[in-house]
Amino acid sequence: GNSVTQMEGPVTLSEEAFLTINCTYTATGYPSLFWYVQYPGEGLQLLLKATKADDKGSNKGFEATYRKETTSFHLEKGSVQVSDSAVYFCALTFTGGGNKLTFGTGTQLKVEL
Amino acid sequence: DAGITQSPRHKVTETGTPVTLRCHQTENHRYMYWYRQDPGHGLRLIHYSYGVKDTDKGEVSDGYSVSRSKTEDFLLTLESATSSQTSVYFCATGTGGSTDTQYFGPGTRLTVL
Repeated sequence: GNSVTQMEGPVTLSEEAFLTINCTYTATGYPSLFWYVQYPGEGLQLLLKATKADDKGSNKGFEATYRKETTSFHLEKGSVQVSDSAVYFCALTFTGGGNKLTFGTGTQLKVEL
Repeated sequence: DAGITQSPRHKVTETGTPVTLRCHQTENHRYMYWYRQDPGHGLRLIHYSYGVKDTDKGEVSDGYSVSRSKTEDFLLTLESATSSQTSVYFCATGTGGSTDTQYFGPGTRLTVL
C-alpha cells in the first residue's frame, strides 16, 4: 500500500537557519506529492505540491523536488523565521484514488530568535 | 480559502453515548472527507463522500458512519463513543482530482471519558 515516512521532530532552529525536513514515500503508480502546514490551533493548509517526477513545488520560500529515483520529496527553506513554527505534513495521492490523502506523521518545527 | 466550518469545535462526552460532528462548506466542492489526527499517526482518513448520498470507507472507518444529504453538509457519527475515539477530527473538501488541493476545516476536539 501507499505510505509516507517523515523525519521525527521536534526540529528546533534559530531564526535564519537552513531547514530540511526529509520525506520519503512508497506508492504504486505515479503519486502526486504535497506538503501541508498546520499552524497552532488551526486546520491544515497546502504549502506546496508537485505532480510528476522532477517537478519542483515552491511557496513562501519553501521548496521541494519530486525525486522518483529516490522516492523522496524533502522540504527545504534557506532562512526560517519565527513565524514558520508549525507542524509540517508530507502527503501523497494517486491517480484514480478520489484524491484521498495519505499523510506522514508530521514534523514539528520550532524557530527561536 | 474554502469556507469550511465544523461544529462543535470542542466536545466532551462519555463512553457509550452517540456523537455527531458536522461539516459545512460553501464552496460547492463535490468531495468531502473526514480525518482524525492523533500523535504519532498524522492524519488518517475515516470516510469520504464523492457526491450527495455517495460515501465510502477510509482506512480507519470502524465505529464511524457518515451521511451526506446535501452538497454542503457532511456528518460524522460515532454510534457509541469509546475512549479510543478521543481525537481531533478534521473535515476537508476538494474537487476530487489527484493533483488538486484539499481544503481543511478548523477541527473538532473530541474527548471521550
